[in-house]
Amino acid sequence: KQEVTQIPAALSVPEGENLVLNCSFTDSAIYNLQWFRQDPGKGLTSLLLIQSSQREQTSGRLNASLDKSSGRSTLYIAASQPGDSATYLCAVADYGGSQGNLIFGKGTKLSVKP
Amino acid sequence: NAGVTQTPKFRILKIGQSMTLQCTQDMNHNYMYWYRQDPGMGLKLIYYSVGAGITDKGEVPNGYNVSRSTTEDFPLRLELAAPSQTSVYFCASRDGIPYEQYFGPGTRLTVT
Repeated sequence: KQEVTQIPAALSVPEGENLVLNCSFTDSAIYNLQWFRQDPGKGLTSLLLIQSSQREQTSGRLNASLDKSSGRSTLYIAASQPGDSATYLCAVADYGGSQGNLIFGKGTKLSVKP
Repeated sequence: NAGVTQTPKFRILKIGQSMTLQCTQDMNHNYMYWYRQDPGMGLKLIYYSVGAGITDKGEVPNGYNVSRSTTEDFPLRLELAAPSQTSVYFCASRDGIPYEQYFGPGTRLTVT
C-alpha cells in the first residue's frame, strides 16, 4: 500500500531564506507527483506536477524534483516571502486499483516571518 | 471554464440527517473523485468514478454513496450523518496523461 510522508510537519523561517520541503513515498510505481498549496480554510492550489518520466519541474521561485528510484521528492522555494506561508501537500498518483487517485501526505505547514 | 464546482460551501447537519454534496465539472473529464480532509491530515479517497454509470469505493467509503448519471456530475450522498463525518469534502476530476487532478473549492461539513 502506497504511503506518503512529509518532513518536517512544520517549518518557520525568516523572510528571504531558501528552503526545502521533503516528500517520500513507498512505492515507485506512480503516474506522477503533485505539489499543492493550501491556505487556512481554503481549497487546494496546484503548484507543480512532475510526470514519472521527468526529474524536475520549475515555476517561478518553485522547483520540484523527483527521484522515483529512491521514492523522494523535494520542493525548493527560493527567496521565501511572508505570502508563501501556507500548508504544502505532496501527493502521488499511483498505479493502484483506484485508477490513478492521489495518495496524500499530511503536509508541511510553512510560516515565513517578515 | 468554471472547472470543478461544489455546493454548498458550508453545512451544519444534525446527527441522523441526510444530505447530498454536489460536484460538477465542465472539462469533459471521465475520471472524478471524492476526498475528505480531516484537521491536520492529508486527503483520503471516499469514492471515484471512471465514467458515467461506473463508480467504485476508495479508502474510506463507509457512510457514503455516490452516483454518476452524467459525465459532468458526481454527487456524494450522506444517508445518516454521524459526528465522524465532520470534515472538509473535496471533489476532483482528471483527464488522461499526465493525469493531473483539478480540485473544487471544498464543502465544510459539521455534524452535531
